[in-house]
Amino acid sequence: KQEVTQIPAALSVPEGENLVLNCSFTDSAIYNLQWFRQDPGKGLTSLLLIQSSQREQTSGRLNASLDKSSGRSTLYIAASQPGDSATYLCAVRLRNTNAGKSTFGDGTTLTVKP
Amino acid sequence: EPEVTQTPSHQVTQMGQEVILRCVPISNHLYFYWYRQILGQKVEFLVSFYNNEISEKSEIFDDQFSVERPDGSNFTLKIRSTKLEDSAMYFCASSEFRANNSPLHFGNGTRLTVT
Repeated sequence: KQEVTQIPAALSVPEGENLVLNCSFTDSAIYNLQWFRQDPGKGLTSLLLIQSSQREQTSGRLNASLDKSSGRSTLYIAASQPGDSATYLCAVRLRNTNAGKSTFGDGTTLTVKP
Repeated sequence: EPEVTQTPSHQVTQMGQEVILRCVPISNHLYFYWYRQILGQKVEFLVSFYNNEISEKSEIFDDQFSVERPDGSNFTLKIRSTKLEDSAMYFCASSEFRANNSPLHFGNGTRLTVT
């Protein structure tokens, strides 16, 4: 059974800092890994998708890496801003299932202080 | 950009009642999903649907739950005889393919409150 773990559970940083969020998973038979942002009481906004054959993806100040062999992904946020405050979720889409369901981590709650 | 839409955004119901949560997936997508998130907990898979039938379901998805694609656009989740513990945010998602480059697209969710 795929287990997805995110560390740390919460993170508080001053504005302008660079930071790294971690995601680990136990089963490397994945189609892809997707990072989401969730604001309190809201839906899931997709940030980045990394295919299983890729090593990293970049979008603006965000960079996500994937090391499938070790079961790890990181989300790097450069020059953090108060508007980045949210919960960040990683989800791995499983290959060995009928319809490629995704398994989510618990999330990292990020607070960026002005 | 096409998006997954869910209605209603908030549903309040009394224990024992039946509710239907509605979703319109992105039009050219082939795979459909329901997930739920109990307040303060992780997003959990409920069921996947492909080619007009359930592909996989979790242990949460028992006889109380059912899904249907009644026409070419809607995808519904029915919860019979609701319980207090069914209170959660329910997310619909869709995907074009079951492949490496195919992301999940989520709706904004329906917050179900069972009183």
